[in-house]
Amino acid sequence: RKEVEQDPGPFNVPEGATVAFNCTYSNSASQSFFWYRQDCRKEPKLLMSVYSSGNEDGRFTAQLNRASQYISLLIRDSKLSDSATYLCVVNPGTSGGSYIPTFGRGTSLIVHP
Amino acid sequence: NAGVTQTPKFQVLKTGQSMTLQCAQDMNHEYMSWYRQDPGMGLRLIHYSVGAGITDQGEVPNGYNVSRSTTEDFPLRLLSAAPSQTSVYFCASSYSTHYNSPLHFGNGTRLTVT
Repeated sequence: RKEVEQDPGPFNVPEGATVAFNCTYSNSASQSFFWYRQDCRKEPKLLMSVYSSGNEDGRFTAQLNRASQYISLLIRDSKLSDSATYLCVVNPGTSGGSYIPTFGRGTSLIVHP
Repeated sequence: NAGVTQTPKFQVLKTGQSMTLQCAQDMNHEYMSWYRQDPGMGLRLIHYSVGAGITDQGEVPNGYNVSRSTTEDFPLRLLSAAPSQTSVYFCASSYSTHYNSPLHFGNGTRLTVT
């Protein structure tokens, strides 16, 4: 089983739709989680951190489910400009683990008019 | 702050040539790393460093060398380029190795080996 898994998609949605992605991780000791956005042929950029209690940033909501070992990203009122690949990043715990962040392969989102 | 700066943006090499990809950050970040990204493969870690004078191998280190003589710079050397090293290379840094530090990426270097 891969350490961090994402559905590659693509998720093809109309403008204004709500879309959600999940990311599962295998290391139960993982301590911190992030969502990155990567546009075609560009570098990944931090979208948001994921906190234990869940957090929101405008149209974006991130949640963590430690029991089932997954994080999610919800995008409301999708815009054309949201079209990108969304990467999940998991940082392992410090108790006997490496501190090297682990990337999922990304989920592709296409928002169409 | 310039953030993470990578040079060059594009490079074409012939098989067997060597070159160095440059990476510099001006954020006093402790942790620096190199990734390569190929279609369908996601980001794969080549080498990383947790501070000046300390480097370690990632998932795909073969054919690459690194050094970290200063906090700011983390160059990646291709010893003898091969077509399999055609890829997009990203340098990334974070403030510390503390698990809550997010990574900051450079713009990438697109390398083609013929």
